[in-house]
Amino acid sequence: NAGVMQNPRHLVRRRGQEARLRCSPMKGHSHVYWYRQLPEEGLKFMVYLQKENIIDESGMPKERFSAEFPKEGPSILRIQQVVRGDSAAYFCASSPWTSGRTGYEQYFGPGTRLTVT
Amino acid sequence: AQSVTQPDIHITVSEGASLELRCNYSYGATPYLFWYVQSPGQGLQLLLKYFSGDTLVQGIKGFEAEFKRSQSSFNLRKPSVHWSDAAEYFCAVGSAGGTSYGKLTFGQGTILTVHP
Repeated sequence: NAGVMQNPRHLVRRRGQEARLRCSPMKGHSHVYWYRQLPEEGLKFMVYLQKENIIDESGMPKERFSAEFPKEGPSILRIQQVVRGDSAAYFCASSPWTSGRTGYEQYFGPGTRLTVT
Repeated sequence: AQSVTQPDIHITVSEGASLELRCNYSYGATPYLFWYVQSPGQGLQLLLKYFSGDTLVQGIKGFEAEFKRSQSSFNLRKPSVHWSDAAEYFCAVGSAGGTSYGKLTFGQGTILTVHP
């Protein structure tokens, strides 16, 4: 059973370009979480999605960032008009259907390291 | 708002020595607590979790953690460290209610270096 997959693993963008980060959850998992890890900081929650629904986006910057998890295909984190401060590692985690405590059984992908030049 | 503090940014131990990594949390209700490990360039791996019940929790790779409500702590321990344990360790607390269900709040991490 493949784990959580993220691609690309490394992404370099110039200021002003768009970055698209993809996350394929583990098989059977319908919940996806995105976290951002800035240099020398811990992970910060960004957004929680279920298939076709955004459940909690309280950690997303108000502008330029968006996320989706369509019925078919991977979850996408999109950053428009990137700036140097967006350089970070972006991690995706997935969990099975949330019942009781299973929502906390989060399995993390290897991350996408975004560098903005 | 919930928060997690890991007071030690960097810890160095000798191989075979015991280890304790500190974690303090702030949360209004009974917390869900976790320890994750991250090797360089890798994602996070869950070491252990606490939801309720026995306050001493056993995890993978020989790690254990003890929940102490009176001290708001969830310290990670290992009796004898191996060189392969060198990594960064994150403590996290999970929110239990409403739309924040499943959301994890992480500490800043503790980097563990192991000397031979």
